[in-house]
Formats: sequence, structure tokens, C-alpha cells
Amino acid sequence: DTEVTQTPKHLVMGMTNKKSLKCEQHMGHRAMYWYKQKAKKPPELMFVYSYEKLSINESVPSRFSPECPNSSLLNLHLHALQPEDSALYLCASSQVHTYEQYFGPGTRLTVT
Amino acid sequence: EDQVTQSPEALRLQEGESSSLNCSYTVSGLRGLFWYRQDPGKGPEFLFTLYSAGEEKEKERLKATLTKKESFLHITAPKPEDSATYLCAVQAVDTGNQFYFGTGTSLTVIP
Repeated sequence: DTEVTQTPKHLVMGMTNKKSLKCEQHMGHRAMYWYKQKAKKPPELMFVYSYEKLSINESVPSRFSPECPNSSLLNLHLHALQPEDSALYLCASSQVHTYEQYFGPGTRLTVT
Repeated sequence: EDQVTQSPEALRLQEGESSSLNCSYTVSGLRGLFWYRQDPGKGPEFLFTLYSAGEEKEKERLKATLTKKESFLHITAPKPEDSATYLCAVQAVDTGNQFYFGTGTSLTVIP
């Protein structure tokens, strides 16, 4: 099973709202990632967790707050977003010491 | 600086017309090169990993090859369902698990 699930599939939120994106995998992977992807662009790395600890934060604004409650779950908490944050948010996972990343289907976020 | 460049940006093929996509890279030490397929509005789907020059991998109509400076994704007798964006990504020895993505090639196969 190489499935990564993400909820919700679509999210529309106002600039004053607080919402969360969720990601789950049951492949025993101990590295998990959040990416942001704008139309016709490649995914941009936001955060990396290894063994449930934040190992990379690519200078992401504090209105995005990641959380890794356990080895299977990854959350992205959103607060006071801007319209330019509208994008496809992708979660991925991999083994820490092997290399293939498996991506979820993404959450399409629209900020109004 | 590590870089990944894909060409062409877009490719239109007739069904059955074979072609190749290119991914060239400059990294200080290659850990792995990865090919993904992405359909509009969906997450990238893993296709292949290549680790060393001379390596080849095949899956159905797709074949990926690797040299010291570039990788090719060969598509043999494509079908309309092969239409998608093909992304390559590179991992370098000194940057752990981090991927450097190319900008992708948008492939359209016309019936």
C-alpha cells in the first residue's frame, strides 16, 4: 500500500479564518513533507518532519503552522492567510533513509 | 547551486508517435533522480528512481535512463491516457531527503 490520504479535498476560507489540513499514511514512513504548488509550477517544499521532529522549514510565513502528532499523521494549521496563499497543498512521505517520496492527492485551498 | 532543468516545456504527440523528455541536472553529488507523473489538480504519482549513470528502468510504455548529467524519459507509442505533466526531481548527497524539482514537461497525446 503506497497511499497517502489528505483531507479535505477542497477548502475555501476567509482571511480571518482558522483551518487545518490533514495528512495520513500507513506505510511506516518516518519522514513527512508539506509542499505548496501553484498552477503550472513544480511543488515547493514547505516543511519536513523526520521522526516526528521538524527538520526543515523553508522560511515559510508563521501563518502556516505544521504539526506531527505521531508517525502516521501530519497537520498544517492555517491562520490569517492571504489570497496569494491559494494553491494545491500536497503532503508526501518517505522512509528517512530511502528516497522515494509518495504524494497524496492534495488539498485545493482558496483564500477569499 | 543545484539546478534541475526539463525540456521541452510542452510536447504534443500523435498517438503512436514515440519521443523523449529530458531532465538535466547540476548537483554536487547525486543521491537519486526521480520521475513523477502528475495529472491536473492531483498529486504527483511516483514512476521511477535512478541512482547511477547507466541505469535504466521501464514501466509499460515508459523507459527512464540516466547519464552523469541528464536523464531521459522515453515514451514509446504513446496513448492519449499518457497525457500529463512529467516532473523530474533530484536529491543531492549533501541535502538529505530534500527534492529539487524541475518545472515539468506537459505532454499531450492526440488521438
